[in-house]
Amino acid sequence: AQKVTQAQTEISVVEKEDVTLDCVYETRDTTYYLFWYKQPPSGELVFLIRRNSFDEQNEISGRYSWNFQKSTSSFNFTITASQVVDSAVYFCALSSPDYGQNFVFGPGTRLSVLP
Amino acid sequence: SQTIHQWPATLVQPVGSPLSLECTVEGTSNPNLYWYRQAAGRGLQLLFYSVGIGQISSEVPQNLSASRPQDRQFILSSKKLLLSDSGFYLCAWSQSSKETQYFGPGTRLLVL
Repeated sequence: AQKVTQAQTEISVVEKEDVTLDCVYETRDTTYYLFWYKQPPSGELVFLIRRNSFDEQNEISGRYSWNFQKSTSSFNFTITASQVVDSAVYFCALSSPDYGQNFVFGPGTRLSVLP
Repeated sequence: SQTIHQWPATLVQPVGSPLSLECTVEGTSNPNLYWYRQAAGRGLQLLFYSVGIGQISSEVPQNLSASRPQDRQFILSSKKLLLSDSGFYLCAWSQSSKETQYFGPGTRLLVL
């Protein structure tokens, strides 16, 4: 079973639409960290957010917002009023003692924002 | 502030040739260092990680190797490249295993 699931392989939206990227994770630990990264066409992974398992408050940063729900093991990412520059592959990742030293990345969701 | 460099940016190599990719980090000391590979249109595969000089852990058995000759230098090598080694290679650093990983610009490798 996947440890981090991003069920949406590809999403296309028209500019100014809102879009939510889903992330579901698995861990037996009570202390863990969740991350979102953006990979634009240039290839470099850009860090967006880090959230620890004890902080379930939703976070908003400009047009970006994150909804962390431990009850459903989900950490979803919403882009409001999407723009063409938001087109990228988005990765969700988990850091948990259950999985040792390293991150577990989801397979990624490719978002295309059409003008 | 911390920065991470990778070179070369792009590389085209024939099958059977050697490989050396370099990654260096500035502005921090004793970082954890990571090598990932991303095949075209695919997710990230962790290849190696290092928690200190000379300490390398391999996640996937293959014809690649890694070395950390200095605290902030991480090298990915191969003696003989295979076609399947083509991909996008990303280096990353973090302050510890729980901390955010920050990625370099990557190296695109094409093996012909």
